[in-house]
Amino acid sequence: SYELTQPPSVSVSPGQTARITCSGYALPKQYAYWYQQKPGQAPVLIIYKDSVRPSGIPERFSGSSSGTIVTLTISGVQAEDEADYYCQSTDITISHPWIFGGGTKLTVL
Amino acid sequence: QVHLVESGGGVVQPGRSLRLSCAASGFNFSNHGIHWVRRSPGKGLEWVAVIFHDGSKNFYADSVKGRFTISRDNSKNTLYLQMNSLKVADTAMYYCARDAGDCVGGQCYSWFDPWGQGTQVTVSS
Repeated sequence: SYELTQPPSVSVSPGQTARITCSGYALPKQYAYWYQQKPGQAPVLIIYKDSVRPSGIPERFSGSSSGTIVTLTISGVQAEDEADYYCQSTDITISHPWIFGGGTKLTVL
Repeated sequence: QVHLVESGGGVVQPGRSLRLSCAASGFNFSNHGIHWVRRSPGKGLEWVAVIFHDGSKNFYADSVKGRFTISRDNSKNTLYLQMNSLKVADTAMYYCARDAGDCVGGQCYSWFDPWGQGTQVTVSS
């Protein structure tokens, strides 16, 4: 079955840059999408089609892609960025194409 | 403003049934596929089911296939999830989410935006 692999946790100090990776064999052919989920809140789309930022999402959030790995970068991390981050992609060759990564807990030290 | 509001969650015994609803507003509901996604305690997001904009097709995760049924009433801007034969493993916060994808050059892309606030389902004896 298709899997997207994320590190379980990433820790950074305020003002530093956080990078969260997501790897999957289909990523060279399919876009990735990123969601932020804070405790008690619904997930929010923060990046779509690998690197496009929806309106209202701060510029410090950016996405990139290289081969089988996509990366969410948060520049100048703020305390409010502490959350769980999930990548998502699709693989139309499988019976349930919508796949999430396991999630990464970002801790702001 | 685009808005999705889930309802119908609760505490239910294993083997029983529950029906969730998702009321949509602020956009043309009949133009969009809608998904159910869940998050179990201590776990990550899990895609559950999707229904196409006109109800013509639906897909399910293997973990719920044969037990859950997704449906919609476009005249009421409402999505449903009928959950039968519930298991303890189905305990989760259930979210509905609009498919915000598009098709470009003959290829279609799919992502979730926005999401509702969720409704909690607890399956316990």
